[in-house]
Amino acid sequence: IQLTQSPSSLSASVGDRVTITCRASQAISSYLAWYQQKPGKAPKLLIYAASTLQSGVPSRFSGSGSGTDFTLTISSLQPEDFATYYCQQLNSYPYTFGQGTKLEIK
Amino acid sequence: EVQLVESGGGLVQPGGSLRLSCAASGFTFSSYWMTWVRQAPGKGLEWVANIKQDGSEKYYVDSVKGRFTISRDNAKNSLYLQMNSLRAEDTAVFYCARGHYTFDIWGQGTMVTVSS
Repeated sequence: IQLTQSPSSLSASVGDRVTITCRASQAISSYLAWYQQKPGKAPKLLIYAASTLQSGVPSRFSGSGSGTDFTLTISSLQPEDFATYYCQQLNSYPYTFGQGTKLEIK
Repeated sequence: EVQLVESGGGLVQPGGSLRLSCAASGFTFSSYWMTWVRQAPGKGLEWVANIKQDGSEKYYVDSVKGRFTISRDNAKNSLYLQMNSLRAEDTAVFYCARGHYTFDIWGQGTMVTVSS
């Protein structure tokens, strides 16, 4: 299953609302997770089961979607949110990741 | 503290072998699926393999099937990845992660470089 994220890169300002899209090449129900990765660090789980917020993750992060189309929304960007974001499908093996979306400061 | 610590990375020649280890602490290791994920320099994440709690089920990405073997020792709270017939394209940071459908804990990663 291929995952296509859009956009591949995004420039935004602190306080902006940002949406990242992940499209699956076939239906994956709600078996989708979102991760945040900062340079030189391991990924951090943000959202699982498409819309469930991982414990300890700020509520400005939210996820939605099912089937083939999914979104990650950050309601009000904070300085610490500038990073690369990946979606991942866990519906069938191999558990593929999207190519990533790099969120940069405008 | 819940923690995963990888080790065993390094420089290896094409065709060589390497064994990665991941030491778990702070949680009941035997209760969780475990996973290896890798990231080539400047590239995205790639799921590599996972293993069930008792080791009875193992799954691999096609590109490593027949060359890599995932295993675990629950008595030692450790996860392993035996990598044989290494290729230049296997060069990556390898992360171990806890979980099957959610990878909620990750190690810091260990770098594997395949080069002559």
